[in-house]
Amino acid sequence: EVHLVQSEAEVKKPGESLKISCKCSGYTFIHYWVGWVRQMPGKGLEWVGIIYPDDSKTIYSPSLQGQVTISADKSISTVYLQWSSLKASDAAMYYCARLDGGQQLVGDCFDSWGQGTLVTVSS
Amino acid sequence: DIQMTQSPSSLSASVGDRVTITCRASQSITRSLNWYQQKPGKAPKVMIYSASTLLSGVPSRFSGSGFGTDFTLTITSLQPEDFATYYCQQSYSTPHLFGQGTKVEIK
Repeated sequence: EVHLVQSEAEVKKPGESLKISCKCSGYTFIHYWVGWVRQMPGKGLEWVGIIYPDDSKTIYSPSLQGQVTISADKSISTVYLQWSSLKASDAAMYYCARLDGGQQLVGDCFDSWGQGTLVTVSS
Repeated sequence: DIQMTQSPSSLSASVGDRVTITCRASQSITRSLNWYQQKPGKAPKVMIYSASTLLSGVPSRFSGSGFGTDFTLTITSLQPEDFATYYCQQSYSTPHLFGQGTKVEIK
Protein backbone atom coordinates (compact mmCIF):
# COMPACT_ATOMS: atom_id res chain seq x y z
CA GLU A 1 0.00 0.00 0.00
CA VAL A 2 1.31 3.44 -0.94
CA HIS A 3 1.94 5.57 2.13
CA LEU A 4 3.20 9.15 2.47
CA VAL A 5 4.03 10.38 5.97
CA GLN A 6 4.88 14.02 6.51
CA SER A 7 6.86 15.72 9.24
CA GLU A 8 5.18 17.42 12.15
CA ALA A 9 3.82 20.95 12.33
CA GLU A 10 6.35 23.78 12.54
CA VAL A 11 6.25 27.22 14.15
CA LYS A 12 8.86 29.61 12.82
CA LYS A 13 9.70 33.30 12.78
CA PRO A 14 9.98 35.40 9.63
CA GLY A 15 13.45 35.11 8.14
CA GLU A 16 14.10 31.64 9.53
CA SER A 17 14.82 28.64 7.35
CA LEU A 18 12.74 25.48 7.26
CA LYS A 19 12.78 22.04 5.65
CA ILE A 20 9.75 19.76 5.85
CA SER A 21 9.71 16.15 4.76
CA CYS A 22 7.56 13.50 3.15
CA LYS A 23 8.55 9.86 3.69
CA CYS A 24 7.23 7.59 0.91
CA SER A 25 6.72 3.84 1.09
CA GLY A 26 4.85 0.98 -0.56
CA TYR A 27 6.11 1.56 -4.10
CA THR A 28 9.30 2.07 -6.14
CA PHE A 29 10.15 5.57 -4.95
CA ILE A 30 12.44 6.64 -7.76
CA HIS A 31 9.92 5.92 -10.55
CA TYR A 32 7.08 8.26 -9.60
CA TRP A 33 6.88 12.04 -9.43
CA VAL A 34 6.09 13.43 -5.99
CA GLY A 35 4.67 16.89 -5.56
CA TRP A 36 3.79 19.54 -3.01
CA VAL A 37 0.46 21.33 -2.73
CA ARG A 38 -0.08 24.44 -0.62
CA GLN A 39 -3.32 25.39 1.10
CA MET A 40 -3.37 28.75 2.81
CA PRO A 41 -5.86 29.17 5.67
CA GLY A 42 -9.41 29.02 4.35
CA LYS A 43 -8.22 28.94 0.73
CA GLY A 44 -7.95 26.49 -2.15
CA LEU A 45 -5.27 24.13 -3.37
CA GLU A 46 -2.15 25.51 -5.01
CA TRP A 47 0.27 23.37 -7.00
CA VAL A 48 3.76 24.14 -5.70
CA GLY A 49 5.97 21.80 -7.70
CA ILE A 50 7.05 18.24 -8.34
CA ILE A 51 10.21 16.16 -8.33
CA TYR A 52 11.22 12.94 -10.10
CA PRO A 53 13.43 11.21 -7.52
CA ASP A 54 15.38 9.09 -9.99
CA ASP A 55 17.18 12.09 -11.47
CA SER A 56 15.90 14.86 -9.16
CA LYS A 57 14.33 16.73 -12.04
CA THR A 58 12.08 19.41 -10.57
CA ILE A 59 9.28 21.54 -12.00
CA TYR A 60 7.98 24.52 -10.05
CA SER A 61 4.91 26.63 -10.35
CA PRO A 62 6.08 29.92 -11.91
CA SER A 63 4.43 31.82 -9.06
CA LEU A 64 6.56 29.99 -6.48
CA GLN A 65 9.77 29.47 -8.46
CA GLY A 66 12.68 30.79 -6.43
CA GLN A 67 10.62 30.93 -3.22
CA VAL A 68 10.97 27.25 -2.31
CA THR A 69 13.25 24.32 -3.10
CA ILE A 70 12.13 20.73 -3.62
CA SER A 71 14.64 17.94 -3.18
CA ALA A 72 14.73 14.18 -2.68
CA ASP A 73 16.91 11.65 -0.90
CA LYS A 74 16.69 8.32 -2.73
CA SER A 75 18.45 6.46 0.08
CA ILE A 76 15.55 7.08 2.47
CA SER A 77 12.68 7.54 -0.01
CA THR A 78 11.99 11.04 1.24
CA VAL A 79 11.05 14.26 -0.51
CA TYR A 80 11.64 17.70 1.01
CA LEU A 81 10.29 21.20 0.69
CA GLN A 82 12.47 23.96 2.03
CA TRP A 83 12.62 27.70 2.52
CA SER A 84 15.78 29.71 3.12
CA SER A 85 13.96 32.71 4.58
CA LEU A 86 10.34 32.33 5.58
CA LYS A 87 7.75 35.07 5.15
CA ALA A 88 4.45 35.44 6.92
CA SER A 89 2.77 34.65 3.61
CA ASP A 90 4.35 31.16 3.62
CA ALA A 91 2.06 30.14 6.49
CA ALA A 92 -0.11 27.32 5.20
CA MET A 93 -0.84 23.64 5.23
CA TYR A 94 1.50 21.80 2.88
CA TYR A 95 0.62 18.42 1.43
CA CYS A 96 2.87 16.05 -0.42
CA ALA A 97 1.28 13.72 -2.94
CA ARG A 98 2.34 11.09 -5.46
CA LEU A 99 1.60 11.38 -9.16
CA ASP A 100 0.27 8.08 -10.45
CA GLY A 101 1.62 8.16 -13.98
CA GLY A 102 5.20 7.03 -13.44
CA GLN A 103 7.61 9.14 -15.46
CA GLN A 104 4.94 10.62 -17.73
CA LEU A 105 3.37 13.95 -16.86
CA VAL A 106 0.22 13.99 -18.95
CA GLY A 107 -3.09 12.62 -17.79
CA ASP A 108 -1.93 11.68 -14.33
CA CYS A 109 -3.33 12.59 -10.92
CA PHE A 110 -2.24 12.81 -7.30
CA ASP A 111 -3.42 9.38 -6.17
CA SER A 112 -1.88 9.24 -2.67
CA TRP A 113 -1.47 12.09 -0.23
CA GLY A 114 0.37 12.77 2.99
CA GLN A 115 -1.49 13.96 6.05
CA GLY A 116 -0.25 17.53 5.70
CA THR A 117 2.29 19.69 7.54
CA LEU A 118 1.06 22.94 9.05
CA VAL A 119 3.62 25.74 8.81
CA THR A 120 3.02 28.74 11.05
CA VAL A 121 5.16 31.85 10.56
CA SER A 122 4.79 34.49 13.20
CA SER A 123 7.03 36.96 14.96
CA ASP B 1 0.00 28.35 -17.68
CA ILE B 2 -3.41 26.78 -18.20
CA GLN B 3 -5.89 28.43 -15.84
CA MET B 4 -8.86 26.53 -14.42
CA THR B 5 -12.13 28.24 -13.55
CA GLN B 6 -14.77 26.46 -11.49
CA SER B 7 -18.37 27.45 -10.94
CA PRO B 8 -20.12 27.96 -8.72
CA SER B 9 -17.73 28.74 -5.87
CA SER B 10 -20.30 27.40 -3.45
CA LEU B 11 -23.75 25.88 -3.49
CA SER B 12 -26.37 24.76 -1.00
CA ALA B 13 -28.20 21.52 -1.63
CA SER B 14 -30.32 18.97 0.16
CA VAL B 15 -29.78 15.27 0.58
CA GLY B 16 -31.12 13.58 -2.53
CA ASP B 17 -30.51 16.56 -4.82
CA ARG B 18 -28.64 16.39 -8.09
CA VAL B 19 -25.58 18.65 -8.09
CA THR B 20 -23.51 19.84 -11.04
CA ILE B 21 -20.16 21.61 -10.86
CA THR B 22 -18.45 22.97 -13.94
CA CYS B 23 -14.79 23.53 -14.69
CA ARG B 24 -13.40 25.44 -17.63
CA ALA B 25 -9.80 25.40 -18.87
CA SER B 26 -8.20 28.43 -20.49
CA GLN B 27 -7.12 26.23 -23.42
CA SER B 28 -7.77 22.68 -24.57
CA ILE B 29 -6.59 19.99 -22.17
CA THR B 30 -8.21 17.12 -24.09
CA ARG B 31 -9.35 14.71 -21.31
CA SER B 32 -6.59 15.51 -18.79
CA LEU B 33 -8.89 16.64 -16.00
CA ASN B 34 -9.11 15.35 -12.43
CA TRP B 35 -11.65 15.95 -9.68
CA TYR B 36 -10.73 15.90 -5.98
CA GLN B 37 -12.90 15.94 -2.87
CA GLN B 38 -11.66 17.58 0.32
CA LYS B 39 -13.37 17.46 3.70
CA PRO B 40 -12.45 19.87 6.52
CA GLY B 41 -9.14 19.04 8.15
CA LYS B 42 -8.37 16.26 5.69
CA ALA B 43 -6.12 15.81 2.70
CA PRO B 44 -7.82 15.89 -0.70
CA LYS B 45 -8.83 12.62 -2.31
CA VAL B 46 -9.00 12.00 -6.05
CA MET B 47 -12.45 10.93 -7.20
CA ILE B 48 -12.29 11.08 -11.00
CA TYR B 49 -9.36 11.18 -13.42
CA SER B 50 -9.14 11.56 -17.19
CA ALA B 51 -12.37 13.55 -17.07
CA SER B 52 -14.70 10.60 -16.56
CA THR B 53 -12.95 7.60 -14.96
CA LEU B 54 -14.03 6.91 -11.40
CA LEU B 55 -11.40 5.73 -8.93
CA SER B 56 -12.06 2.31 -7.50
CA GLY B 57 -14.42 2.61 -4.57
CA VAL B 58 -15.98 5.93 -5.61
CA PRO B 59 -19.78 5.63 -5.56
CA SER B 60 -21.49 5.50 -8.92
CA ARG B 61 -23.58 8.57 -8.06
CA PHE B 62 -20.46 10.55 -9.02
CA SER B 63 -19.77 11.08 -12.70
CA GLY B 64 -17.56 13.29 -14.82
CA SER B 65 -17.78 14.40 -18.40
CA GLY B 66 -16.22 16.78 -20.86
CA PHE B 67 -13.42 17.21 -23.37
CA GLY B 68 -11.28 20.09 -24.48
CA THR B 69 -12.06 23.08 -22.28
CA ASP B 70 -15.40 22.35 -20.59
CA PHE B 71 -15.94 19.73 -17.93
CA THR B 72 -18.64 18.73 -15.46
CA LEU B 73 -18.78 16.85 -12.18
CA THR B 74 -22.24 15.54 -11.37
CA ILE B 75 -23.46 14.01 -8.14
CA THR B 76 -26.85 12.36 -8.45
CA SER B 77 -28.77 11.96 -5.22
CA LEU B 78 -26.45 13.85 -2.89
CA GLN B 79 -25.61 11.96 0.31
CA PRO B 80 -24.59 13.40 3.72
CA GLU B 81 -20.99 12.26 3.23
CA ASP B 82 -20.75 14.21 -0.06
CA PHE B 83 -20.81 17.61 1.64
CA ALA B 84 -17.26 18.81 0.98
CA THR B 85 -15.21 21.04 -1.29
CA TYR B 86 -14.49 19.81 -4.80
CA TYR B 87 -11.55 20.86 -6.94
CA CYS B 88 -10.80 20.27 -10.59
CA GLN B 89 -7.20 20.02 -11.77
CA GLN B 90 -5.70 19.87 -15.25
CA SER B 91 -2.87 17.43 -15.88
CA TYR B 92 -2.24 18.31 -19.52
CA SER B 93 0.80 20.50 -18.96
CA THR B 94 2.77 21.67 -15.96
CA PRO B 95 2.02 23.44 -13.70
CA HIS B 96 -0.98 21.22 -13.08
CA LEU B 97 -3.14 24.00 -11.67
CA PHE B 98 -6.31 23.52 -9.65
CA GLY B 99 -9.60 25.30 -9.94
CA GLN B 100 -10.54 27.56 -7.03
CA GLY B 101 -12.90 24.96 -5.54
CA THR B 102 -16.64 24.51 -5.08
CA LYS B 103 -17.97 24.13 -1.56
CA VAL B 104 -21.07 21.95 -1.38
CA GLU B 105 -23.04 22.84 1.74
CA ILE B 106 -26.17 21.51 3.37
CA LYS B 107 -29.29 23.52 2.67
